[in-house]
Amino acid sequence: EAGVAQSPRYKIIEKRQSVAFWCNPISGHATLYWYQQILGQGPKLLIQFQNNGVVDDSQLPKDRFSAERLKGVDSTLKIQPAKLEDSAVYLCASSPGAGDEQYFGPGTRLTVT
Amino acid sequence: GNSVTQMEGPVTLSEEAFLTINCTYTATGYPSLFWYVQYPGEGLQLLLKATKADDKGSNKGFEATYRKETTSFHLEKGSVQVSDSAVYFCALLNSGGYQKVTFGTGTKLQVIP
Repeated sequence: EAGVAQSPRYKIIEKRQSVAFWCNPISGHATLYWYQQILGQGPKLLIQFQNNGVVDDSQLPKDRFSAERLKGVDSTLKIQPAKLEDSAVYLCASSPGAGDEQYFGPGTRLTVT
Repeated sequence: GNSVTQMEGPVTLSEEAFLTINCTYTATGYPSLFWYVQYPGEGLQLLLKATKADDKGSNKGFEATYRKETTSFHLEKGSVQVSDSAVYFCALLNSGGYQKVTFGTGTKLQVIP
């Protein structure tokens, strides 16, 4: 069974630029999560999708971050414009349903200079 | 709200030493508890879990017991190996209602030969 795929693995941008991350969850998993992991901290949930609907985006900075999962399969997370404090690893995870074990992708390491 | 507190690292041990990483939590109801491991350059992997009080989760020689009376879920291993070097995250999944995972800040373990 293929795992959660993410791309790119690394990205370096300047502040005020925009960036997008892509995630393809495990086939059949209805729930998809995006986490932000700042160095030295645990993952923080940004947004959770159930199929193509948003379940929780309470910690997503909506003035600059957006995410979509239009067909209920893969998802993109966008930052526009980026700030220095957005430097982090962005993790995507999926699970069969909410409350089930989450499977994580390798993450995208973003550096904002 | 829910929170997870784990001991700060890094923890440096010699090979074959005994490992304990402390984790305590704050949550209402009866959460499920997890330990995740993150090897260098990889995403998080579920190491073990316990879903009710007095349950013991175990995997790869690691174990942790869900202690409701002390709200703890300490991770232990009798004899660590160099390959166990990683960052370990304690986490909880709240019970009832909207289920969300809360992570601790992680503890880096370095095992030296």
